[in-house]
Amino acid sequence: AQSVTQPDIHITVSEGASLELRCNYSYGATPYLFWYVQSPGQGLQLLLKYFSGDTLVQGIKGFEAEFKRSQSSFNLRKPSVHWSDAAEYFCAVSNQAGTALIFGKGTTLSVSS
Amino acid sequence: SAVISQKPSRDICQRGTSLTIQCQVDSQVTMMFWYRQQPGQSLTLIATANQGSEATYESGFVIDKFPISRPNLTFSTLTVSNLSPEDSSIYLCSVVPLSGANVLTFGAGSRLTVL
Repeated sequence: AQSVTQPDIHITVSEGASLELRCNYSYGATPYLFWYVQSPGQGLQLLLKYFSGDTLVQGIKGFEAEFKRSQSSFNLRKPSVHWSDAAEYFCAVSNQAGTALIFGKGTTLSVSS
Repeated sequence: SAVISQKPSRDICQRGTSLTIQCQVDSQVTMMFWYRQQPGQSLTLIATANQGSEATYESGFVIDKFPISRPNLTFSTLTVSNLSPEDSSIYLCSVVPLSGANVLTFGAGSRLTVL
């Protein structure tokens, strides 16, 4: 069965510092991978996705993620964090495009000034 | 991308009652799903809402507790029946729009508190 692990429950980063949120998945075939962000009181917004091809994918708001098959990872990165990036981040996986997602438990990002 | 309207956005209900949540999309979609997000937790898939037929439920979720309707391509309802405080959660509708990218778009959610 598919599963997603986000090892970090809560991360605090200084504004302007770089960010990396970890995500590991368990799936036998090539997964479809996603990162979503949830701000307080709001729904989930898609940051980026990986279906195939280039393993480094660019998303919105300056985020990127790298798919590493050998490590079963899809870590999210941003070179310089802004206070508005404080939110809950979810990594998710599916076995094909356009189907239901399995979500990780999420990582709460706090940004300090 | 598709715009999803969920109603109500929040509600407070007494135990033993039921709450029906509506999900309206502004364009046709291929797939509709209902998720539950318990306080401080991740999202768990409740069911896939199938147009014109019974929903497909995930393990641990049953039709008697979470009846779902989907009469057309743009509308679905989720009812949470016989409410208990453990049902206090955010319920989210998500869709795969007919046009664009094969990714799930989520509504803002309906926050339910059961007293």
